[in-house]
Amino acid sequence: KNEVEQSPQNLTAQEGEFITINCSYSVGISALHWLQQHPGGGIVSLFMLSSGKKKHGRLIATINIQEKHSSLHITASHPRDSAVYICAPAQGGSEKLVFGKGTKLTVNP
Amino acid sequence: KAGVTQTPRYLIKTRGQQVTLSCSPISGHRSVSWYQQTPGQGLQFLFEYFSETQRNKGNFPGRFSGRQFSNSRSEMNVSTLELGDSALYLCASSPDRSYEQYFGPGTRLTVT
Repeated sequence: KNEVEQSPQNLTAQEGEFITINCSYSVGISALHWLQQHPGGGIVSLFMLSSGKKKHGRLIATINIQEKHSSLHITASHPRDSAVYICAPAQGGSEKLVFGKGTKLTVNP
Repeated sequence: KAGVTQTPRYLIKTRGQQVTLSCSPISGHRSVSWYQQTPGQGLQFLFEYFSETQRNKGNFPGRFSGRQFSNSRSEMNVSTLELGDSALYLCASSPDRSYEQYFGPGTRLTVT
């Protein structure tokens, strides 16, 4: 069983839709990162959170440490949100990142 | 501040050769981590350096090594290249643990 499970693996949405990507993990963590990777490879860190909820513009990330689950929400999705979104918990103690396989999001105009 | 830079951006090598990749972190960042990304395995942690010391290491063979210099710049080396080493190699810097990581653009290595 993978240490980090993301769902869905692929997601196609229409512009304006509300998007949710889920991440479940089995390791003990100190924090969890949500990353965005556009075609061509560049990775941007969207959030790092260890509890509760964070919001940047149209993006919201939540985490429930007891349930070992995190979600990334995108409100009013836009074609420029099309990318792969990767969940990456930081293992407690070592702070090593372990990675989900990613969710490929396509937002159509 | 300038972002994380990686050189070279693209590299083609032959099986059996060795390669050295370079990463310059954001000014003031003392932690540099290296990751490998392949279509089959996704992203995997290679190692982390902090103040010239390797602080963490992933599950990679000894052919993969790295170092960090006093100015926080880091290099990773892969010896005796195999076809399976073809990947995107990313480095990320941060001030220290528990901080957000900033990723470089990556070096795309192709082994033929």
